[in-house]
Amino acid sequence: NAGVTQTPKFQVLKTGQSMTLQCAQDMNHNSMYWYRQDPGMGLRLIYYSASEGTTDKGEVPNGYNVSRLNKREFSLRLESAAPSQTSVYFCASTDSGHEQYFGPGTRLTVT
Amino acid sequence: QKEVEQNSGPLSVPEGAIASLNCTYSDRGSQSFFWYRQYSGKSPELIMFIYSNGDKEDGRFTAQLNKASQYVSLLIRDSQPSDSATYLCAVKRGYSTLTFGKGTMLLVSP
Repeated sequence: NAGVTQTPKFQVLKTGQSMTLQCAQDMNHNSMYWYRQDPGMGLRLIYYSASEGTTDKGEVPNGYNVSRLNKREFSLRLESAAPSQTSVYFCASTDSGHEQYFGPGTRLTVT
Repeated sequence: QKEVEQNSGPLSVPEGAIASLNCTYSDRGSQSFFWYRQYSGKSPELIMFIYSNGDKEDGRFTAQLNKASQYVSLLIRDSQPSDSATYLCAVKRGYSTLTFGKGTMLLVSP
């Protein structure tokens, strides 16, 4: 099992460009999450999907959109990237809610 | 606004010592408490979770919970240089999402 995979691992964007971060899990988990992690700020929840077909805003949703494509895949889209979105993005999944399994992260720089 | 507070550190301890990491939370209705370890440049991984007041031990790790004081801690006995990492405290109420603290950096010197 690969667990939680994320693509790409690194990305540099110019201000105003768009991109989609991909996340997939092979653990048959119902819930999936997108976080961003900035120095000194900890992990902050952007969006989550409690089950296939549902998505909800987290703490910092502005500037992002998500799609739960199927039970395995949960993508995060930046429509018009801004320097403030420079961060490390983690996808996570869980079944029972006891443990969230994290992907390796995507390091995004917006210039 | 749910808040989880941790001292950012770094907490420096010599090899073989006990490292004590602390966390306080504001939501009195929190029911589940988690400790994640994050090595530099890597993703977080779960070390322990605790639901009930008291201590829970797993190898060299002990989680302690005091709901009345809204306080959860992680003790690492016989600290090793490989324990050097950032430790994230997270809390949850019911089936809601996790709220993470900003993490405490632990440095264990040989």
